[in-house]
Amino acid sequence: DIQMTQSPSSLSASVGDRVTITCRASQGIRNDLGWYQQKPGKAPKRLIYAASSLQSGVPSRFSGSGSGTEFTLTISSLQPEDFATYYCLQHNSYLWTFGQGTKVEIK
Amino acid sequence: EVQLVESGGGLVQPGGSLRLSCAASGFTFSSYWMHWVRQAPGKGLVWVSRINSDGSSTSYADSVKGRFTISRDNAKNTLYLQMNSLRAEDTAVYYCPLLYGAFDIWGQGTMVTVSS
Repeated sequence: DIQMTQSPSSLSASVGDRVTITCRASQGIRNDLGWYQQKPGKAPKRLIYAASSLQSGVPSRFSGSGSGTEFTLTISSLQPEDFATYYCLQHNSYLWTFGQGTKVEIK
Repeated sequence: EVQLVESGGGLVQPGGSLRLSCAASGFTFSSYWMHWVRQAPGKGLVWVSRINSDGSSTSYADSVKGRFTISRDNAKNTLYLQMNSLRAEDTAVYYCPLLYGAFDIWGQGTMVTVSS
């Protein structure tokens, strides 16, 4: 099974900060990775698909990069509505796996 | 409007069974693989299972393999998750997302509580 190691597990940041979250796959997954945002009590919402493609309707301050085993989600200028938990999801194998999540909190 | 509505959750005793349903509308259900994803209270997202478009191929996370069965009825536009031998650690909100290409559609989820 492919394991996804996401870091950090949490971070504190201020409005306007640049934020970077990383996911590492236990084996190569090409670009078969998405990034999700989840707010309390709500279903997840995809931000990025195919590692670097922006989901329709998602602000351009979100971006994704990487291929193979190392992937990054970047928020270029954190906004108040971005405080949430973020997950990566690999779909390269028959068994999909989420990262453990990164909670982005207000500093 | 593309919509997914999960139902069938509730309180069940350890060792018991429950069948979840997911009613799909607004898209050609029979064309897409479907998934179940769960989230225990205060915990992260966990992928549970997936089924291909005609129901002939399925996959399961190790934590549910042998206990859960995913199935679908394309004539009824409905996805199912039969859950047997339930454990306390199966307590979670269960979602049936459509995750394919540009599609990223989630329902509101249905809560399953396993407790005596």
